[in-house]
Amino acid sequence: EDQVTQSPEALRLQEGESSSLNCSYTVSGLRGLFWYRQDPGKGPEFLFTLYSAGEEKEKERLKATLTKKESFLHITAPKPEDSATYLCAVQAEKLVFGKGTKLTVNP
Amino acid sequence: NAGVTQTPKFRVLKTGQSMTLLCAQDMNHEYMYWYRQDPGMGLRLIHYSVGEGTTAKGEVPDGYNVSRLKKQNFLLGLESAAPSQTSVYFCASSYSPGTSGDLSTDTQYFGPGTRLTVL
Repeated sequence: EDQVTQSPEALRLQEGESSSLNCSYTVSGLRGLFWYRQDPGKGPEFLFTLYSAGEEKEKERLKATLTKKESFLHITAPKPEDSATYLCAVQAEKLVFGKGTKLTVNP
Repeated sequence: NAGVTQTPKFRVLKTGQSMTLLCAQDMNHEYMYWYRQDPGMGLRLIHYSVGEGTTAKGEVPDGYNVSRLKKQNFLLGLESAAPSQTSVYFCASSYSPGTSGDLSTDTQYFGPGTRLTVL
């Protein structure tokens, strides 16, 4: 069975304190790995797609990387507006979501 | 483009009542999906459609029905609501994965959600 596990469940950072979120997966026939951002009361907002091990993508303070078993979302010098829940999902036969990491960045 | 829109945004039902949630997309996507999101459970697929006139069951289809009469619309129905269906419902859409050879077509774009409470 395809599984996606995100860690930690919650993370509190001070503004400017860099860190990483983890997404580990077991899936047959990975087509892609997606990162979404979800703000309270809103739908998931697409951030990145990664297709193969070794691939990296960046957007502002966010950088996503992919290995054969996991993906990391690196947040460099975060700001309070980066506070959100970050969702990871893997696409094989269907899209399977992790439970998310709730990130809080304090000023 | 409005992207993916959902109506209503909020709804309160009594047990046994019925209702329909409407999802509309203006991106000419072939695939559409309905998910529910519950605390500690993540997003779970209810039903999906691979094109106009088609529907298929997802992970948690019981108690729900869907219809895709038009390419841009995907309706989710609850015939007899139960408290266990209290949740936040999200619609999503994507191009047709796998048919174009372009993996970027897998990306699903989500609507703003409908918060449903069943008393």
